[in-house]
Amino acid sequence: DTEVTQTPKHLVMGMTNKKSLKCEQHMGHRAMYWYKQKAKKPPELMFVYSYEKLSINESVPSRFSPECPNSSLLNLHLHALQPEDSALYLCASSRFLRGTDTQYFGPGTRLTVL
Amino acid sequence: TQLLEQSPQFLSIQEGENLTVYCNSSSVFSSLQWYRQEPGEGPVLLVTVVTGGEVKKLKRLTFQFGDARKDSSLHITAAQPGDTGLYLCAGAQTGTASKLTFGTGTRLQVTL
Repeated sequence: DTEVTQTPKHLVMGMTNKKSLKCEQHMGHRAMYWYKQKAKKPPELMFVYSYEKLSINESVPSRFSPECPNSSLLNLHLHALQPEDSALYLCASSRFLRGTDTQYFGPGTRLTVL
Repeated sequence: TQLLEQSPQFLSIQEGENLTVYCNSSSVFSSLQWYRQEPGEGPVLLVTVVTGGEVKKLKRLTFQFGDARKDSSLHITAAQPGDTGLYLCAGAQTGTASKLTFGTGTRLQVTL
């Protein structure tokens, strides 16, 4: 089973709202990732967790706050977002944080900020 | 910044035709992955190649990793409408964490 699940599938929020995106995998993977993808562009890396610790933050604004409560779950907390943050948010996982480890992606959350 | 250039950017072909998509870089990658993505969905893994010169086949799809691990190609034989989608190559940097560099993407449309 190579499934990564994400909820919700769609999310519409105002600029003053607080919401969270959730990601889950049960493959025993120890590395998890958040990506942002704008229309007709490739995914852009936001955060990487390895063994539940933040390993990479690609200079993402503080209105995005990641959290890894355990090895199977990854959250992305959203607060005071801007309309330009509207995008497809993708979660991925890999066995370890190694260059030869394949990343498996979830179906994504389509976020619209009004 | 490592760049992965894909060509062509767009390809519209008829069912039954063959095609090749290229993924090129001046940098060496420890592995390279190919994904297909449908609109509004996450990328679905097609294959991972890790050895220079490696060739992998997945039904009508043939993937090759260049000898120097700087480039890759995807060949589709007898394309079908179900092959329609965005094809993305993604390379992992050599010797460092699994941080993928995505290619620019190839949008394929297969019509009846």
